[in-house]
Amino acid sequence: GQQVMQIPQYQHVQEGEDFTTYCNSSTTLSNIQWYKQRPGGHPVFLIQLVKSGEVKKQKRLTFQFGEAKKNSSLHITATQTTDVGTYFCAGRDGGTSYGKLTFGQGTILTVHP
Amino acid sequence: EAQVTQNPRYLITVTGKKLTVTCSQNMNHEYMSWYRQDPGLGLRQIYYSMNVEVTDKGDVPEGYKVSRKEKRNFPLILESPSPNQTSLYFCASSPGLFSYNEQFFGPGTRLTVL
Repeated sequence: GQQVMQIPQYQHVQEGEDFTTYCNSSTTLSNIQWYKQRPGGHPVFLIQLVKSGEVKKQKRLTFQFGEAKKNSSLHITATQTTDVGTYFCAGRDGGTSYGKLTFGQGTILTVHP
Repeated sequence: EAQVTQNPRYLITVTGKKLTVTCSQNMNHEYMSWYRQDPGLGLRQIYYSMNVEVTDKGDVPEGYKVSRKEKRNFPLILESPSPNQTSLYFCASSPGLFSYNEQFFGPGTRLTVL
């Protein structure tokens, strides 16, 4: 079945440094979503990417969807302590199992002030 | 307030004792889903429902049952819980699949099976 691999598993940065997490799918995706989960909280939706090569920005966050729709990345510029949490990508199958959503393992981001 | 609610939030039970975790959303969403979260494994989809009376298996359905008799409710049933089902469970809903389909997550249910 579909697998979504996310790296790195952990990332420790100093406040002000940049951060990037990457997702790779074993199959072509119809779309990909990104979520943030604060410690002790529930996942919160950040964005959805649908088109091949799509790039979207939200303030300091930049999201990319690969040309082949099999990989994606989230880049945070100049991290702040409020960015702490776990970031997940979630890919939706491009085939008949459209309702299935496969999450990556997540990247735990720690920001040191 | 638009939200997804889950009950109970915490549950400690014993092997083999049937339990139900309820999930309800007040946003008239068509799509609902259950996930379990385990350290290092991220969120794994258990079951999902595209609409009332339509359910399908996710990646880890073994040992779980669901039903979708009404649009707002999507209970998760563990007929005979086992210790390997100890986990953090999340219910989520979204407006549908063929539009902008942001998922809204409930607060989570932490289940321990002894």
